[in-house]
Amino acid sequence: GAVVSQHPSWVICKSGTSVKIECRSLDFQATTMFWYRQFPKQSLMLMATSNEGSKATYEQGVEKDKFLINHASLTLSTLTVTSAHPEDSSFYICSAKGLAGGAEETQYFGPGTRLLVL
Amino acid sequence: RKEVEQDPGPFNVPEGATVAFNCTYSNSASQSFFWYRQDCRKEPKLLMSVYSSGNEDGRFTAQLNRASQYISLLIRDSKLSDSATYLCVVRAGGFKTIFGAGTRLFVKA
Repeated sequence: GAVVSQHPSWVICKSGTSVKIECRSLDFQATTMFWYRQFPKQSLMLMATSNEGSKATYEQGVEKDKFLINHASLTLSTLTVTSAHPEDSSFYICSAKGLAGGAEETQYFGPGTRLLVL
Repeated sequence: RKEVEQDPGPFNVPEGATVAFNCTYSNSASQSFFWYRQDCRKEPKLLMSVYSSGNEDGRFTAQLNRASQYISLLIRDSKLSDSATYLCVVRAGGFKTIFGAGTRLFVKA
């Protein structure tokens, strides 16, 4: 089946540092990638949607200067949490949309990245 | 009002029981509906799509009621391995996906 990978899976960092998370579609080309955030016992919240080669579209309340998204190719998107603070600690999940052997475009999720900011 | 609402549970059921979850959505223009399963500290995984005519996959049956704007998931003959959080997912045009907060299910031996 289609695979989406994320790296790193775990990050612990000091407040004020920037953290970069990579999301890759391993066996298909992702026309669109999505970044979600999930706090404990809460639902996944869409942060932004990005299409390859264009600027990301951010959801209301998500600071684009704090969460930098780069979708450089059809298989790679990166999320950079700039100047991370403890309140940014969360589970970040990327998702990629594409045709992965099926007849319809489907959304596939990465395994997630746990960020803990001290 | 939340765009997608679910009873958070938890539902505690014995093995072999039948359990049903409901989910309501507010956007009447929603086009696609899904149930995802999320295990603790893992990413969501697609359980099944939900079609207007209703669909079944083994022990799982999903139904959609567009008039009342709700979808349901029925699990028959519950297994211990069914313990997870079940997410109701609604998609409007353009692949904008809205997740419900999830319903937790615990299946006991």
